[in-house]
Amino acid sequence: KAGVTQTPRYLIKTRGQQVTLSCSPISGHRSVSWYQQTPGQGLQFLFEYFSETQRNKGNFPGRFSGRQFSNSRSEMNVSTLELGDSALYLCASSLRPGGPVDTQYFGPGTRLTVL
Amino acid sequence: DQQVKQNSPSLSVQEGRISILNCDYTNSMFDYFLWYKKYPAEGPTFLISISSIKDKNEDGRFTVFLNKSAKHLSLHIVPSQPGDSAVYFCAASERGGADGLTFGKGTHLIIQP
Repeated sequence: KAGVTQTPRYLIKTRGQQVTLSCSPISGHRSVSWYQQTPGQGLQFLFEYFSETQRNKGNFPGRFSGRQFSNSRSEMNVSTLELGDSALYLCASSLRPGGPVDTQYFGPGTRLTVL
Repeated sequence: DQQVKQNSPSLSVQEGRISILNCDYTNSMFDYFLWYKKYPAEGPTFLISISSIKDKNEDGRFTVFLNKSAKHLSLHIVPSQPGDSAVYFCAASERGGADGLTFGKGTHLIIQP
């Protein structure tokens, strides 16, 4: 069974630009969560989607948004990029929200660098 | 405000010895705790978890201990092996599941030969 895939793996943008990251969950998984990993803050929860609806949202500014498609694939968008947005963005999929935690699987992440 | 704290950014342990990674939390509503292991260029992988109704959970070389009164948990790896060298994240959930996990900043475990 294929794992969680994230594209692109690496991205370089400049301040003020916007970026879209993509996540394809494991086949059959309908819940997708996004996390930001930085050296200073560790892993922080961004948001979770299930059945094309955002269920939970972390403490991030409105510049961070996401969506989920009917095939459960998800995208996250960051507008007006700032230097501090440089991070590893991780996507995790699970069968359903609130399910057994060991059924949540992480993708390899997208490394975003903002210059 | 860090609700989950891993105060040791790194830990060096000799191969064959016990590795003990610590984690403290402040939110008394957390009812499920997990440890993830992460290698460079890979996503975190689930290692072991514990519900707040238990104080110990064991899986092979890995044991997690939970002290609710102290709001403290620890991961013991015995014996430590070179492949255990990775970053370990402690995480917690309020809803007993995978919703919106709160992670610590991680501890880089280095196993020395």
